[in-house]
Amino acid sequence: SSELTQDPAVSVALGQTIRITCQGDSLRTYYANWYQQKPGQAPILVIYSKNNRPSGIPDRFSGSSSGNTASLTITGAQAEDEADYYCNSRDDSGNHYVFGTGTKVTVL
Amino acid sequence: EVQLVESGGGLVQPGGSLTLSCAASGFSFSSHSMNWVRQAPGKGLEWISYISRDSSSIYYADSVRGRFTISRDSAKNSLYLLMNSLRADDTAVYYCARQFDDWGQGTLVTVSS
Repeated sequence: SSELTQDPAVSVALGQTIRITCQGDSLRTYYANWYQQKPGQAPILVIYSKNNRPSGIPDRFSGSSSGNTASLTITGAQAEDEADYYCNSRDDSGNHYVFGTGTKVTVL
Repeated sequence: EVQLVESGGGLVQPGGSLTLSCAASGFSFSSHSMNWVRQAPGKGLEWISYISRDSSSIYYADSVRGRFTISRDSAKNSLYLLMNSLRADDTAVYYCARQFDDWGQGTLVTVSS
């Protein structure tokens, strides 16, 4: 199996840019997806297949990848972006999935 | 609009069994793979099981393999998770997800005596 590691918590000033990273060996082979989860709510997909946004997701959310690291960037963070963010991808076998450890984003 | 509604959660004693259901609507259920994901209180997301569109491919996380069984019924547009030999560390909110694009609101399973 594989692990995806994220920073536990990051903060950003309102309107500034934040980058959240996700590291894991399987990311050299498979794309990452990103999810936003607010307290008491189900996760919402915000980026899929490295840098694609589902309908309804603001264009301030973008994704990228290099080597074993995937990144989610929020350009011009808004108060409503305060949430937990998780990456996920397949594991090394390709048959299982794994979620990152999660990053709590605080908008100051 | 895609809707996924989980049910069947509740309080169960250690060693007991429970079956979760996920009723799907708003999309062609038989055309999509499905997953179960859980989240223990105050913890992160954990993928636990996958089933392909036609049930030909099924995978489990190591933490539940041999104890949990995923299945689906396209005639009923429903996904299931049979959970046996439940342990305290299975306590979590269980989500069904269409691939990983859309998620239900989850159902809470509490394993405690």
